Amino acid sequence: EDQVTQSPEALRLQEGESSSLNCSYTVSGLRGLFWYRQDPGKGPEFLFTLYSAGEEKEKERLKATLTKKESFLHITAPKPEDSATYLCAVQPRGANNLFFGTGTRLTVIP
Amino acid sequence: EAGVVQSPRYKIIEKKQPVAFWCNPISGHNTLYWYLQNLGQGPELLIRYENEEAVDDSQLPKDRFSAERLKGVDSTLKIQPAELGDSAVYLCASSVGLAGGRETQYFGPGTRLLVL
Repeated sequence: EDQVTQSPEALRLQEGESSSLNCSYTVSGLRGLFWYRQDPGKGPEFLFTLYSAGEEKEKERLKATLTKKESFLHITAPKPEDSATYLCAVQPRGANNLFFGTGTRLTVIP
Repeated sequence: EAGVVQSPRYKIIEKKQPVAFWCNPISGHNTLYWYLQNLGQGPELLIRYENEEAVDDSQLPKDRFSAERLKGVDSTLKIQPAELGDSAVYLCASSVGLAGGRETQYFGPGTRLLVL
Protein backbone atom coordinates (compact mmCIF):
# COMPACT_ATOMS: atom_id res chain seq x y z
CA GLU A 1 0.00 0.00 0.00
CA ASP A 2 1.27 3.46 -0.92
CA GLN A 3 2.09 5.46 2.17
CA VAL A 4 3.67 8.82 3.00
CA THR A 5 4.84 9.80 6.49
CA GLN A 6 6.07 13.27 7.33
CA SER A 7 8.02 14.30 10.39
CA PRO A 8 8.01 16.21 12.57
CA GLU A 9 4.33 17.15 12.72
CA ALA A 10 5.27 20.63 13.89
CA LEU A 11 8.54 22.54 14.03
CA ARG A 12 9.36 25.88 15.63
CA LEU A 13 12.55 27.60 14.54
CA GLN A 14 14.19 30.86 15.40
CA GLU A 15 14.80 33.09 12.41
CA GLY A 16 18.08 32.00 10.84
CA GLU A 17 18.05 28.55 12.46
CA SER A 18 18.42 26.01 9.65
CA SER A 19 16.66 22.63 9.79
CA SER A 20 15.21 19.79 7.71
CA LEU A 21 11.78 18.28 7.20
CA ASN A 22 11.47 14.57 6.45
CA CYS A 23 9.15 12.69 4.11
CA SER A 24 9.36 8.89 4.21
CA TYR A 25 7.47 6.97 1.58
CA THR A 26 6.47 3.45 0.61
CA VAL A 27 5.28 3.14 -2.96
CA SER A 28 5.15 0.47 -5.61
CA GLY A 29 7.49 2.29 -7.95
CA LEU A 30 7.94 6.04 -7.82
CA ARG A 31 6.97 8.26 -10.72
CA GLY A 32 7.58 11.49 -8.82
CA LEU A 33 7.76 13.08 -5.37
CA PHE A 34 6.25 16.51 -4.91
CA TRP A 35 6.66 19.21 -2.26
CA TYR A 36 3.96 21.80 -1.71
CA ARG A 37 3.62 24.72 0.66
CA GLN A 38 0.22 25.52 2.16
CA ASP A 39 -0.58 28.75 3.97
CA PRO A 40 -3.63 28.94 6.27
CA GLY A 41 -6.84 29.33 4.31
CA LYS A 42 -5.16 28.69 0.96
CA GLY A 43 -4.60 25.82 -1.42
CA PRO A 44 -1.27 23.99 -1.72
CA GLU A 45 1.37 25.89 -3.71
CA PHE A 46 3.79 23.83 -5.80
CA LEU A 47 7.46 23.95 -4.80
CA PHE A 48 9.42 21.02 -6.30
CA THR A 49 9.20 17.74 -8.14
CA LEU A 50 11.89 15.06 -7.74
CA TYR A 51 11.97 12.00 -9.98
CA SER A 52 14.97 9.85 -9.09
CA ALA A 53 17.23 9.07 -6.14
CA GLY A 54 20.10 11.51 -5.84
CA GLU A 55 18.20 14.36 -7.43
CA GLU A 56 18.26 17.77 -5.73
CA LYS A 57 16.39 21.01 -6.40
CA GLU A 58 16.71 24.45 -4.85
CA LYS A 59 14.59 27.55 -4.60
CA GLU A 60 15.68 30.49 -2.49
CA ARG A 61 16.16 29.13 1.07
CA LEU A 62 14.69 25.71 0.26
CA LYS A 63 16.48 22.62 -1.02
CA ALA A 64 14.79 19.29 -1.67
CA THR A 65 16.63 15.98 -1.91
CA LEU A 66 15.49 12.44 -2.71
CA THR A 67 16.66 8.95 -1.80
CA LYS A 68 14.99 5.61 -2.53
CA LYS A 69 13.01 5.76 0.71
CA GLU A 70 12.74 9.40 1.74
CA SER A 71 12.97 13.02 0.81
CA PHE A 72 14.23 15.95 2.82
CA LEU A 73 13.28 19.58 2.57
CA HIS A 74 16.18 21.61 3.92
CA ILE A 75 15.48 25.17 5.03
CA THR A 76 18.52 27.40 5.30
CA ALA A 77 18.39 30.54 7.46
CA PRO A 78 14.57 30.63 7.50
CA LYS A 79 12.58 33.82 7.76
CA PRO A 80 9.15 34.35 9.36
CA GLU A 81 7.57 34.36 5.90
CA ASP A 82 8.62 30.73 5.51
CA SER A 83 6.06 29.80 8.17
CA ALA A 84 3.53 27.44 6.57
CA THR A 85 2.58 23.79 6.35
CA TYR A 86 4.82 21.83 3.99
CA LEU A 87 3.17 18.87 2.28
CA CYS A 88 4.91 15.95 0.61
CA ALA A 89 3.15 13.80 -1.98
CA VAL A 90 4.13 10.78 -4.05
CA GLN A 91 2.90 9.77 -7.46
CA PRO A 92 3.20 5.99 -7.95
CA ARG A 93 4.40 4.64 -11.25
CA GLY A 94 1.47 4.01 -13.57
CA ALA A 95 -0.81 6.41 -11.70
CA ASN A 96 -1.69 10.05 -12.10
CA ASN A 97 -2.88 10.47 -8.53
CA LEU A 98 -0.95 12.03 -5.69
CA PHE A 99 -0.83 10.51 -2.21
CA PHE A 100 -0.15 13.17 0.41
CA GLY A 101 1.37 13.05 3.85
CA THR A 102 -0.19 14.96 6.71
CA GLY A 103 2.35 17.78 6.48
CA THR A 104 4.82 19.55 8.73
CA ARG A 105 3.65 22.80 10.26
CA LEU A 106 6.62 25.15 10.35
CA THR A 107 6.70 28.28 12.49
CA VAL A 108 9.65 30.66 12.21
CA ILE A 109 9.93 33.07 15.11
CA PRO A 110 11.50 36.52 14.54
CA GLU B 1 -1.85 33.68 -16.18
CA ALA B 2 -4.87 32.99 -14.00
CA GLY B 3 -4.66 30.06 -11.62
CA VAL B 4 -7.33 27.56 -10.71
CA VAL B 5 -10.49 29.39 -9.72
CA GLN B 6 -12.96 28.01 -7.20
CA SER B 7 -16.23 29.29 -5.83
CA PRO B 8 -17.64 29.83 -3.37
CA ARG B 9 -14.70 30.24 -1.00
CA TYR B 10 -16.84 29.54 2.04
CA LYS B 11 -20.17 27.80 2.51
CA ILE B 12 -22.20 27.17 5.64
CA ILE B 13 -25.24 24.91 5.36
CA GLU B 14 -27.44 22.81 7.57
CA LYS B 15 -27.23 19.04 7.41
CA LYS B 16 -29.38 17.35 4.79
CA GLN B 17 -29.18 20.42 2.54
CA PRO B 18 -27.57 20.19 -0.91
CA VAL B 19 -24.40 22.09 -1.80
CA ALA B 20 -22.38 22.59 -4.97
CA PHE B 21 -18.82 23.71 -5.63
CA TRP B 22 -17.50 25.08 -8.90
CA CYS B 23 -14.00 24.93 -10.36
CA ASN B 24 -12.42 26.50 -13.43
CA PRO B 25 -8.98 25.02 -14.21
CA ILE B 26 -5.96 26.73 -15.67
CA SER B 27 -6.51 27.44 -19.35
CA GLY B 28 -5.28 24.56 -21.48
CA HIS B 29 -5.22 22.02 -18.66
CA ASN B 30 -7.02 18.85 -19.67
CA THR B 31 -6.86 17.01 -16.37
CA LEU B 32 -8.94 18.15 -13.41
CA TYR B 33 -8.95 16.77 -9.87
CA TRP B 34 -11.20 17.20 -6.87
CA TYR B 35 -9.62 16.61 -3.47
CA LEU B 36 -10.97 16.58 0.07
CA GLN B 37 -8.82 17.99 2.87
CA ASN B 38 -9.76 17.47 6.49
CA LEU B 39 -8.25 19.63 9.20
CA GLY B 40 -4.65 18.65 9.89
CA GLN B 41 -4.56 16.16 7.02
CA GLY B 42 -3.23 16.11 3.50
CA PRO B 43 -5.56 16.28 0.50
CA GLU B 44 -7.23 13.02 -0.59
CA LEU B 45 -8.40 12.46 -4.15
CA LEU B 46 -12.13 12.23 -4.77
CA ILE B 47 -12.26 12.18 -8.57
CA ARG B 48 -10.04 12.80 -11.60
CA TYR B 49 -11.19 13.89 -15.04
CA GLU B 50 -9.35 13.54 -18.32
CA ASN B 51 -11.20 16.07 -20.47
CA GLU B 52 -14.90 15.18 -19.97
CA GLU B 53 -14.29 11.64 -18.76
CA ALA B 54 -14.12 10.66 -15.10
CA VAL B 55 -11.22 8.22 -15.17
CA ASP B 56 -10.83 7.67 -11.42
CA ASP B 57 -13.79 8.10 -9.09
CA SER B 58 -13.08 5.15 -6.81
CA GLN B 59 -12.87 7.37 -3.71
CA LEU B 60 -16.03 9.37 -4.44
CA PRO B 61 -18.92 8.45 -2.09
CA LYS B 62 -21.42 7.99 -4.85
CA ASP B 63 -24.46 7.72 -2.63
CA ARG B 64 -24.33 11.45 -1.90
CA PHE B 65 -21.54 12.94 -4.03
CA SER B 66 -21.67 13.62 -7.75
CA ALA B 67 -19.47 15.52 -10.15
CA GLU B 68 -19.55 16.63 -13.74
CA ARG B 69 -17.24 18.28 -16.21
CA LEU B 70 -19.30 19.26 -19.19
CA LYS B 71 -17.37 20.39 -22.27
CA GLY B 72 -14.12 19.36 -20.57
CA VAL B 73 -13.42 22.74 -18.97
CA ASP B 74 -15.01 23.76 -15.69
CA SER B 75 -16.42 21.29 -13.21
CA THR B 76 -19.03 21.06 -10.48
CA LEU B 77 -18.94 18.87 -7.39
CA LYS B 78 -22.22 18.32 -5.58
CA ILE B 79 -23.19 16.86 -2.23
CA GLN B 80 -26.80 15.87 -1.61
CA PRO B 81 -27.68 15.55 1.19
CA ALA B 82 -24.79 16.97 3.22
CA GLU B 83 -23.82 15.35 6.51
CA LEU B 84 -21.94 16.78 9.48
CA GLY B 85 -18.86 14.75 8.54
CA ASP B 86 -18.66 16.48 5.17
CA SER B 87 -17.30 19.62 6.83
CA ALA B 88 -13.88 20.04 5.21
CA VAL B 89 -12.01 21.92 2.51
CA TYR B 90 -12.74 20.87 -1.07
CA LEU B 91 -9.80 21.54 -3.35
CA CYS B 92 -9.72 21.57 -7.11
CA ALA B 93 -6.48 21.05 -9.03
CA SER B 94 -5.54 20.86 -12.68
CA SER B 95 -2.64 19.66 -14.79
CA VAL B 96 -1.77 19.77 -18.46
CA GLY B 97 -2.59 16.13 -19.13
CA LEU B 98 0.61 14.95 -20.75
CA ALA B 99 1.02 11.38 -21.96
CA GLY B 100 2.99 9.48 -19.32
CA GLY B 101 1.49 11.57 -16.50
CA ARG B 102 4.73 13.12 -15.23
CA GLU B 103 3.31 16.51 -14.49
CA THR B 104 2.56 19.00 -11.80
CA GLN B 105 -0.86 19.56 -10.30
CA TYR B 106 -1.77 23.16 -9.49
CA PHE B 107 -4.33 23.79 -6.80
CA GLY B 108 -7.05 26.34 -6.34
CA PRO B 109 -7.75 28.12 -3.04
CA GLY B 110 -10.42 25.63 -2.00
CA THR B 111 -13.99 25.86 -0.74
CA ARG B 112 -14.38 25.65 3.02
CA LEU B 113 -17.60 23.83 3.87
CA LEU B 114 -19.19 23.85 7.31
CA VAL B 115 -22.22 21.64 7.86
CA LEU B 116 -24.27 22.49 10.95
